[in-house]
Amino acid sequence: DTAVSQTPKYLVTQMGNDKSIKCEQNLGHDTMYWYKQDSKKFLKIMFSYNNKELIINETVPNRFSPKSPDKAHLNLHINSLELGDSAVYFCASSRLETQYFGPGTRLLVL
Amino acid sequence: SQQGEEDPQALSIQEGENATMNCSYKTSINNLQWYRQNSGRGLVHLILIRSNEREKHSGRLRVTLDTSKKSSSLLITASRAADTASYFCATDVLNNNDMRFGAGTRLTVKP
Repeated sequence: DTAVSQTPKYLVTQMGNDKSIKCEQNLGHDTMYWYKQDSKKFLKIMFSYNNKELIINETVPNRFSPKSPDKAHLNLHINSLELGDSAVYFCASSRLETQYFGPGTRLLVL
Repeated sequence: SQQGEEDPQALSIQEGENATMNCSYKTSINNLQWYRQNSGRGLVHLILIRSNEREKHSGRLRVTLDTSKKSSSLLITASRAADTASYFCATDVLNNNDMRFGAGTRLTVKP
């Protein structure tokens, strides 16, 4: 069984659209994260949620909003998509120091 | 800002050789971790070394940490073609509840 899963795997959309990426973990972890990996492979943390509370919010545009319906899910909503949003988005979860990553969602904004 | 910076950016070796990758960071840390990313996949945790440890082994992996120099190294011995991947260091920053990743070292092991 997949520990951290994301859907969709690929997302191609037009500029200005609103889209969501879903993430689920079945590890019973308390903390979940969203990362953005750009074309140069830099991995930048966007958000983390611990027990449904946002504890990190890097300088991410407010067009991005994480939503956690329960401890096992952390979805990422993106409004008014821009070309620069094209990247691979990774969800991750952790209980202690080690993070477990999902397979990534490849977003392409045209 | 990037906390960990790996070097080299890319490394190409022959199967059987050893591969050494380095990571430098800027602030005090609780621990440092190395992750591996195969092309098109998510990151997979390899090894964690705490700030009070100097060396750690796991199978063919050897990690060192020098907190005075704010640097770490990952050594993969007797490399295999299947070790081809990108390797990232990640620092758990002291008094800050997040983890910072570098841009990674792209390792290619030729059969």
